[in-house]
Amino acid sequence: GQQLNQSPQSMFIQEGEDVSMNCTSSSIFNTWLWYKQDPGEGPVLLIALYKAGELTSNGRLTAQFGITRKDSFLNISASIPSDVGIYFCAGQLSKLVFGQGTRLTINP
Amino acid sequence: DTGVSQDPRHKITKRGQNVTFRCDPISEHNRLYWYRQTLGQGPEFLTYFQNEAQLEKSRLLSDRFSAERPKGSFSTLEIQRTEQGDSAMYLCASSLSLYGNEQFFGPGTRLTVL
Repeated sequence: GQQLNQSPQSMFIQEGEDVSMNCTSSSIFNTWLWYKQDPGEGPVLLIALYKAGELTSNGRLTAQFGITRKDSFLNISASIPSDVGIYFCAGQLSKLVFGQGTRLTINP
Repeated sequence: DTGVSQDPRHKITKRGQNVTFRCDPISEHNRLYWYRQTLGQGPEFLTYFQNEAQLEKSRLLSDRFSAERPKGSFSTLEIQRTEQGDSAMYLCASSLSLYGNEQFFGPGTRLTVL
C-alpha cells in the first residue's frame, strides 16, 4: 500500500530556531496536508497544498508541494514553546495516507 | 463551538464486550471519515461516508467493526467482541465534498481493552 516516509522522527531545538521537516513517497499524490497533534487530541490542519510546486504560508509556517508530486516539506520559523507537538504530513489521492510524524521538542 | 465532536473521549472495556462511539461532524460537511491511531503512528483510514452512503472501507475494518451514518449527519462506529489489539485512538474527521481534501478532525475516542 501507499506509505509516506516522514523525517526526522524527532527534533530537539532551542526556542527561536527554525525547523524543517519533510515527507517523501513512492506514489504521486494530488494533495498534501500538514497537521499538528497535541497529546490526547485530534490532529489540527495547518496547511493544505493542491498543486505541484505550490508554496503556501500560514504565519510562521511555510509548506511546499514538491514538483514530482511525491514529496512535501514544512518549515517553521522562529520556533516558540507552543510549537511543541507531533507534526504529520498526509498525502491524498482517494483517501488520506499519513506519515509517522515528527515529534518537536523545544528546549527553553 | 462548531467543530467535530466525539463521544465518549475515553472508553475502558473488557475483552469480548461491544463498544459504540459517536461522531458529530461540522454541520455543513457532507463527508465523514473514521481513522484509527495507535501509539507512535499516524492515523490509518478505516472508512468514509458521503451523506449516508458508506463509500469506502479499509481492509483494517474487520467484520467486527461496523459504521453507520443513518441520516447523513452523525455517525457511529461499533466494535463487537473487542480484542486487546483494538486498543487505540479512534478519530473522526469531516469535510465538504467540494473541498474534500481538507479534513477536520475531532478530539478522538481513546479505547482501552483490558
